[in-house]
Parts: sequence; C-alpha cells; structure tokens
Amino acid sequence: EAQVTQNPRYLITVTGKKLTVTCSQNMNHEYMSWYRQDPGLGLRQIYYSMNVEVTDKGDVPEGYKVSRKEKRNFPLILESPSPNQTSLYFCASSLRVGQTDTQYFGPGTRLTVL
Amino acid sequence: DAKTTQPPSMDCAEGRAANLPCNHSTISGNEYVYWYRQIHSQGPQYIIHGLKNNETNEMASLIITEDRKSSTLILPHATLRDTAVYYCIVRVTPGYALNFGKGTSLLVTP
Repeated sequence: EAQVTQNPRYLITVTGKKLTVTCSQNMNHEYMSWYRQDPGLGLRQIYYSMNVEVTDKGDVPEGYKVSRKEKRNFPLILESPSPNQTSLYFCASSLRVGQTDTQYFGPGTRLTVL
Repeated sequence: DAKTTQPPSMDCAEGRAANLPCNHSTISGNEYVYWYRQIHSQGPQYIIHGLKNNETNEMASLIITEDRKSSTLILPHATLRDTAVYYCIVRVTPGYALNFGKGTSLLVTP
C-alpha cells in the first residue's frame, strides 16, 4: 500500500532533550516536506527536500534540522526542543514538484515539550 | 500566489450534495486550484484539482467559473465520514508549500 509513515505518532518530552521524528514513503517520491499545525495558524512548512541531499528552509525552520540521505526517508530533528515546538507535525511527499503533483500526507506526530 | 476565501463553516444533510465555494479572484493563468480535506487532526487528504475545466473523480467534482475567480467543490452524496475541514488551495509558494488557510468546516448530519 502506498503510504507515508511517521514515527512516533505521539511523544511527550522535556525541554532540551534531542529527538528525531522519522518520515518514510514507499512511493519513490522525489519531493518531501515537513509541516507543523497549530491552532489558529494552520499548517506551516518547516523544511522541504527536492531530492536526495537537497534540502531547503520553509516558513518556520528555526529550531529544526532535516536530512535526506535516502530517497524514502526524511527525518525531522529537534536538537534542543522547547515548549513552543509543541505541535502536530505532518510529513508529506509528492512524486516530483510540478503544477499537477499532489502531496500525500502522513498520519501526523503529536509532540508535547514540557 | 493567489489567496483564497472560504466560508468558515457549512452544514449538509447526509445523502445530499455538499457544495463548498471558494473565491480566488487574484488567481493567475498558470495556477491550479487544489482541494484537500482534513478529518479531525489526521493528515490532509488530496481530493481533486483543476486548471480551467471542470473535473470529476471518484471523490468529488470541481466546478471552476469561466473567469477562474471562483470554484465549487461538490460532494455528490455526502456521508457522515465526509465531516472534515476542506481547504481550497491555489499554488505555488516558494518551497512548494501548500497554503492551507483556514478552510471550511463541513458538518454532515444524519
């Protein structure tokens, strides 16, 4: 089944404890992206990747890192999480970037930073 | 990129057609109209997209006005499982991020 998976789905952590949220897609998609969703602010893009080893900042990249060593994986790294990073995170992928390429979203990771 | 305007909420009776409007008066000639939905904190789900012609797939129909300044998403026979927030999106932002905006919260009632 074609899908985007994220792990963990739920995470409660403390300020400053490094964590990684994994994202994997099995559709051989070139483009991958991370969003965060907060009440009243909608979905905002954190980072994106056009292909392996090609990443760039989205609208809200501060406090996050990403890597794209393999086509299928695009982990989101929080080196020193803070409470303002408490949010619902979504990974998305699409075959490539173009006018007609739809994005497929993972199920989400709900992160709480105490 | 073009901004969109949608009503904040709508109701629809189960089995009836749900017609969700969207205004995008500043759309440019090469911008597509996309519709996604999000069911209660799940990952957004693609529904349909179009450029200028009306489109139909197994989920919905998309009607785009001739001047392309507005569109309507039609769910022909709404079910309770169609209760969700529906987003009308016009691309494209740098980074190819989808600008979801606030969307329309559709409630399908028995």
